[in-house]
Amino acid sequence: EDQVTQSPEALRLQEGESSSLNCSYTVSGLRGLFWYRQDPGKGPEFLFTLYSAGEEKEKERLKATLTKKESFLHITAPKPEDSATYLCAVQTGFQKLVFGTGTRLLVSP
Amino acid sequence: EAQVTQNPRYLITVTGKKLTVTCSQNMNHEYMSWYRQDPGLGLRQIYYSMNVEVTDKGDVPEGYKVSRKEKRNFPLILESPSPNQTSLYFCASSTAGGMGQPQHFGDGTRLSIL
Repeated sequence: EDQVTQSPEALRLQEGESSSLNCSYTVSGLRGLFWYRQDPGKGPEFLFTLYSAGEEKEKERLKATLTKKESFLHITAPKPEDSATYLCAVQTGFQKLVFGTGTRLLVSP
Repeated sequence: EAQVTQNPRYLITVTGKKLTVTCSQNMNHEYMSWYRQDPGLGLRQIYYSMNVEVTDKGDVPEGYKVSRKEKRNFPLILESPSPNQTSLYFCASSTAGGMGQPQHFGDGTRLSIL
């Protein structure tokens, strides 16, 4: 069975304190791994797609990396506005997404 | 502005009273999908549609119906809602494609079934 596990469930950081979120997956055939950001009362907002091991993508303070079994979302010098829930999802079939349960990130000033 | 629009955003209703949640996208996307989001379970797919008149079950389709008569619209129908369908629902759309194309989500519909 396809599974996506995210850790930690929640993370509290001070502004400027860098850290990483983990997404480990067990799927039969990976067609893509996605990172989304979700703010309270909003739908998930697309951040990155990664397709193959070794691939990296960056956007502002966020950097996503992918290995054969997991992905990391690195947050460098976070700001309070980076507080959100970060979701990882893998595409296993044609547009079939399996989501993790997310990491709730809180960045304090 | 490119967007996925869901209505209503909030609904409180009673067991057995049929309801429809509408979803519309203005990006000319072929693919549309419905998810429900529950604490500790993440987002789970209910139904999806590859194009007009083409729909298929996701992981949790029981108690739901969908239709895709027009490309832009993909309504979710609960014929006889029950309390276990109380949840946060999201509609999403994307371009078709074998390799991963990001799905664009609406802002959600919070349903409470009493």
